[in-house]
Amino acid sequence: AQKITQTQPGMFVQEKEAVTLDCTYDTSDPSYGLFWYKQPSSGEMIFLIYQGSYDQQNATEGRYSLNFQKARKSANLVISASQLGDSAMYFCAMRPVSGGYQKVTFGTGTKLQVIP
Amino acid sequence: DAGITQSPRHKVTETGTPVTLRCHQTENHRYMYWYRQDPGHGLRLIHYSYGVKDTDKGEVSDGYSVSRSKTEDFLLTLESATSSQTSVYFCAISESGRIEQYFGPGTRLTVT
Repeated sequence: AQKITQTQPGMFVQEKEAVTLDCTYDTSDPSYGLFWYKQPSSGEMIFLIYQGSYDQQNATEGRYSLNFQKARKSANLVISASQLGDSAMYFCAMRPVSGGYQKVTFGTGTKLQVIP
Repeated sequence: DAGITQSPRHKVTETGTPVTLRCHQTENHRYMYWYRQDPGHGLRLIHYSYGVKDTDKGEVSDGYSVSRSKTEDFLLTLESATSSQTSVYFCAISESGRIEQYFGPGTRLTVT
């Protein structure tokens, strides 16, 4: 079974500062993928970044980077130079890479508010 | 943005009535999914499809059925809606060999 834990229900960050959103996971699958999605107040789910469990380097996409620490089972999202438009809910998710890989498990989310 | 639409976007219905939600994609992706989103639970998988007429259950499938007669359409049916099925429903798609899923805009369903 897979489990995703996001322990920060809400966070504040000053505009232009960096912020880290925590995500820990648990799985018995040998190979898996980790994702982050953004959900603004308008409701849509926006795919941000993906990290494979066997990837040697941490994933980056523009101002987003995924701090992957396999031994600690953590996949934290780092947003650099926060902007007002970053205010949203952020969800961490995971799925196996093979065999039942449709089974995506989501965390409960972290609400980020960027302060001017 | 991936071409995914959901209809209706909002619906209010009474307990005991049947409800069908539609997901339509223009990406020709093989895999389609239905999720529900509730406060404190994140998103939970209801059903998914890995091809036309090929579907399987997710973690919260009780009270829901699905059908996929065409690649582009995935229907979610609540045979007899209950108040516990009040939620926001998201459709998602993914392509073979790709891990990430892309989501539709969501349908807000209220069962009174």
